[in-house]
Amino acid sequence: ETGVTQTPRHLVMGMTNKKSLKCEQHLGHNAMYWYKQSAKKPLELMFVYSLEERVENNSVPSRFSPECPNSSHLFLHLHTLQPEDSALYLCASSQSVGGDYNEQFFGPGTRLTVL
Amino acid sequence: GQNIDQPTEMTATEGAIVQINCTYQTSGFNGLFWYQQHAGEAPTFLSYNVLDGLEEKGRFSSFLSRSKGYSYLLLKELQMKDSASYLCAVMDSNYQLIWGAGTKLIIKP
Repeated sequence: ETGVTQTPRHLVMGMTNKKSLKCEQHLGHNAMYWYKQSAKKPLELMFVYSLEERVENNSVPSRFSPECPNSSHLFLHLHTLQPEDSALYLCASSQSVGGDYNEQFFGPGTRLTVL
Repeated sequence: GQNIDQPTEMTATEGAIVQINCTYQTSGFNGLFWYQQHAGEAPTFLSYNVLDGLEEKGRFSSFLSRSKGYSYLLLKELQMKDSASYLCAVMDSNYQLIWGAGTKLIIKP
């Protein structure tokens, strides 16, 4: 595997379900990110991790719970979601948080539908 | 507040040139990125500007004017595969990327 991978690619869940999204980066990066992408809206940064420590939480509802067990893996645990949470969830990684030319590499995303 | 503006949609003809504009108002500036995103796929990096001027990379060029809070992405010799959304993003003083909503580019034969 190369780059950034995400599983599952598609997920349909009911509002009472609990599910998890998984992201893995094979680039040796130290920073990982969760974004939400809704149609015709800017990417919304949800969480930022640097060396497994959360450095940013942009007022995300508690029904989204991130976990970063090591610098290569990032999870997003989902529970009691709402239909408006349906979106594409993108994971990204970069060499570090901040610094010049700090390009972020994205995974293919998980298309989430909440019924 | 912080804001990135870019056109929602543009149409161009195969073989032609198209310019996608981006204006920004952010808390600080640590560089501007352009990404390409095909439908259903991950955004992929195209260019990075931190100093004023033009950066050229093959058929794609990106321009930055920090005093005007303005950038554009120039695509030459358009090909059908260039049909995609183009995302403008600015890194603010906290090194967070602030994203525009993207410009959907439609290429017609």
